[in-house]
Amino acid sequence: QSVLTQPPSVSAAPGQRVTISCSGSSSNIGKNYVSWYQQLPGTAPKLLIYDNDKRPSGIPDRFSGSKSGTSATLDITGLQTGDEADYYCGTWDSSLSGGVFGGGTKLTVL
Amino acid sequence: QVQLVQSGAEVKKPGASVKVSCKASGYTFSTYGISWVRQAPGQGLEWMGWISTYNGNTKYAQNLQGRVTMTTDTSTTTAYMELRTLTSDDTAVYYCVRPYRGGTYLPFDYWGQGTLVTVSS
Repeated sequence: QSVLTQPPSVSAAPGQRVTISCSGSSSNIGKNYVSWYQQLPGTAPKLLIYDNDKRPSGIPDRFSGSKSGTSATLDITGLQTGDEADYYCGTWDSSLSGGVFGGGTKLTVL
Repeated sequence: QVQLVQSGAEVKKPGASVKVSCKASGYTFSTYGISWVRQAPGQGLEWMGWISTYNGNTKYAQNLQGRVTMTTDTSTTTAYMELRTLTSDDTAVYYCVRPYRGGTYLPFDYWGQGTLVTVSS
């Protein structure tokens, strides 16, 4: 059971928009920055969003993040077939004094 | 360019220990700590712990305390993760990861290629 809660799967058509939620608590999301990772099949995860809403160099602006209270959201617009992957949210948990992740969300682009 | 290159796949018997290495290059090793993250087959990501490459301080996940040891060798810019008393639940891909900014635990910007550890009798 993951500390952060994500939907197991989401799907949408090419060109559409999808939102992935990440729910936590006051000791993790409520107190610390959230990051998002994309994991393509058979590869290591890749940082997509950090500090709730910032994109590393090279990440297209189709990917955006936000945080409100103890929840965070990843938005992907203009979906492409290459976006099919598992997406994970992560943050620090101040009570556990450790990193925590969501269980992951599998994105299918229909 | 920043690179984290891990040691190769391992097959271990239950009760044994495994030690995975992570060779860092392309940046000043002592400026960024190293965390270890594992992923069981078909499962999500699990943070295992962190080590300061500056002074060797460590922080381990509560469920692994007593079974895991993280160390570094600054002369070779290599980090190590040793996990003892292995069970089948420890079968996973193990990643070493570096944070985006020095002096922080998260987020994880650079990932090693992963090392598959299989625990089987």
